[in-house]
Amino acid sequence: EAQVTQNPRYLITVTGKKLTVTCSQNMNHEYMSWYRQDPGLGLRQIYYSMNVEVTDKGDVPEGYKVSRKEKRNFPLILESPSPNQTSLYFCASSFEGPLPDTQYFGPGTRLTVL
Amino acid sequence: SQELEQSPQSLIVQEGKNLTINCTSSKTLYGLYWYKQKYGEGLIFLMMLQKGGEEKSHEKITAKLDEKKQQSSLHITASQPSHAGIYLCGADIRRDDKIIFGKGTRLHILP
Repeated sequence: EAQVTQNPRYLITVTGKKLTVTCSQNMNHEYMSWYRQDPGLGLRQIYYSMNVEVTDKGDVPEGYKVSRKEKRNFPLILESPSPNQTSLYFCASSFEGPLPDTQYFGPGTRLTVL
Repeated sequence: SQELEQSPQSLIVQEGKNLTINCTSSKTLYGLYWYKQKYGEGLIFLMMLQKGGEEKSHEKITAKLDEKKQQSSLHITASQPSHAGIYLCGADIRRDDKIIFGKGTRLHILP
């Protein structure tokens, strides 16, 4: 089954404790992206990757890092999480690039930073 | 101001009724995406509109793109409980190959 998986689905952590949210897709997609969704602000892009070893900032990259060492994986790294990074995070992928016919989204990771 | 405005922000309708959600852009629309999100879950792609006047349907959901008005409308006919969720529109209005999303419209269906 074609899908985007994220782990963990739920995470509660404390300020300053480094964490990684994994994202994996099994569709051989070139383009992958991370979004955060917040009440009143909607869905905003954090980082995206056009292909392996190619990453770029989205609209809200501060406080986040990403890497794309393999085509299927695109982890989101929070080196020193802060409470303002409490949010619902989504990973997405597509075959054709940022403006595809279909962009597949993961199920989401709900992060709480205390 | 918001680049993509969705209206209404929330909507409560009786099962079986029709409804319309609008997505209005502050800039020219070159393509628009509609997604549905069940509460707390991921987004499901519904459809993409690329040309002015284009209309697409997915089951009982129909979307249109009006380039002149810089607006897209999503219409649900004979709503069902399964239609409940958050509907988001997205578009590349900055022409930088990134999709900007509206804040979403929360739809509740009353039995």
